[in-house]
Amino acid sequence: DVKVTQSSRYLVKRTGEKVFLECVQDMDHENMFWYRQDPGLGLRLIYFSYDVKMKEKGDIPEGYSVSREKKERFSLILESASTNQTSMYLCASSPLPGETQYFGPGTRLLVL
Amino acid sequence: AQTVTQSQPEMSVQEAETVTLSCTYDTSESDYYLFWYKQPPSRQMILVIRQEAYKQQNATENRFSVNFQKAAKSFSLKISDSQLGDAAMYFCAYLTGANSKLTFGKGITLSVRP
Repeated sequence: DVKVTQSSRYLVKRTGEKVFLECVQDMDHENMFWYRQDPGLGLRLIYFSYDVKMKEKGDIPEGYSVSREKKERFSLILESASTNQTSMYLCASSPLPGETQYFGPGTRLLVL
Repeated sequence: AQTVTQSQPEMSVQEAETVTLSCTYDTSESDYYLFWYKQPPSRQMILVIRQEAYKQQNATENRFSVNFQKAAKSFSLKISDSQLGDAAMYFCAYLTGANSKLTFGKGITLSVRP
């Protein structure tokens, strides 16, 4: 079974802090994704990566950056957290373009 | 841009009954994939069913089946013999063959009455 893990289930941070959300997949998948999930809005794509050191902006990249130094790990970075970044963050991976995406358990981030 | 519409925010079904969740999408692509994902309360998002647009046959997975109407751009999910464990939020999603960008609907919350 594909396993996608995220470093924290719950996180509380202060406005202005730098926040790192980590995601690891164990199936040698090429593609990795970061989404945020908000009530009534569904899931929206923040960033994705086709390969190591490659990244592409999704639909809502403002205020976020990403890092993919190793194939199995994809990090989402909030350079200066703001209250409007309070949300559920979901990581996903897929073997190739067009393939099914597998999701991690999510990190619920609260920015105070 | 592709859009996915789930017009019903909530639905309820009696245990053992059948329920259909609606989804429509808008695209100009000919090669794409459609998905239904399930997200139980406080639990991980999991794939329910996947449909390739080039396949005319509707996908099925045990009690779950889809009604894929390509011309109408409709992709509904039918859950037969509903169980309490089916209670969750369900998301319809669209993915083009050209890249891996999934576009999600806003989701529908399904409750199952015992």
